[in-house]
Amino acid sequence: EVQLVESGGGLVQPGGSLRLSCAASGFTVSSNYMSWVRQAPGKGLEWVSVIYSGGSTYYADSVKGRFTISRDNSKNTLYLQMNSLRAEDTAVYYCARIGTYYYDSSGYSDAFDIWGQGTMVTVSS
Amino acid sequence: SSELTQDPAVSVALGQTVRITCQGDSLRSYYASWYQQKPGQAPVLVIYGKNNRPSGIPDRFSGSSSGNTASLTITGAQAEDEADYYCNSRDSSGNSWVFGGGTKLTVL
Repeated sequence: EVQLVESGGGLVQPGGSLRLSCAASGFTVSSNYMSWVRQAPGKGLEWVSVIYSGGSTYYADSVKGRFTISRDNSKNTLYLQMNSLRAEDTAVYYCARIGTYYYDSSGYSDAFDIWGQGTMVTVSS
Repeated sequence: SSELTQDPAVSVALGQTVRITCQGDSLRSYYASWYQQKPGQAPVLVIYGKNNRPSGIPDRFSGSSSGNTASLTITGAQAEDEADYYCNSRDSSGNSWVFGGGTKLTVL
């Protein structure tokens, strides 16, 4: 079965650090684009970061310089290292596979086709 | 960075047709993908590309696009379709993604 399972969330003080994990099964993390998406309480979805199959990484401006996405190919696991956490980072963090692609002469899309169940991160003193 | 704009809320009578729209400059280059999210659950992909449904998504869900606007149409809305719906696409930079603010669909 293809699935993603996140872990590592919890309560952390402002300025603190936390590392989220996302264990994949049924497919290979390193062969796919993998991403983190977050959702603050009562708010919409916000894209956070991506790691391409080739290893390139990109971040939303709101987390650039503070968060680091990585993967462990031997464990088939995706990570998000979060440093210098702020209250506004409080959210449910989802990992997702970008695994469904479409292209024609009019455009292109790649979709987040597999999502984990999410892990809650609360930044508060 | 690019933005995608959605109406915050839409309602539809049971069995009727509803269209949810998404506007943004990035949609001139990229097709939108659409996600359904029910309370306490992770999002689920319902439409991608020009008008493609993943396996298991009912055919009452369809997508379309024109210019800078993408639309998700539910033909014959069911009670179980009541949810939040989000559009997303790559950002104009090509190496980041953007989500719309979401549309809360109420089935009356």
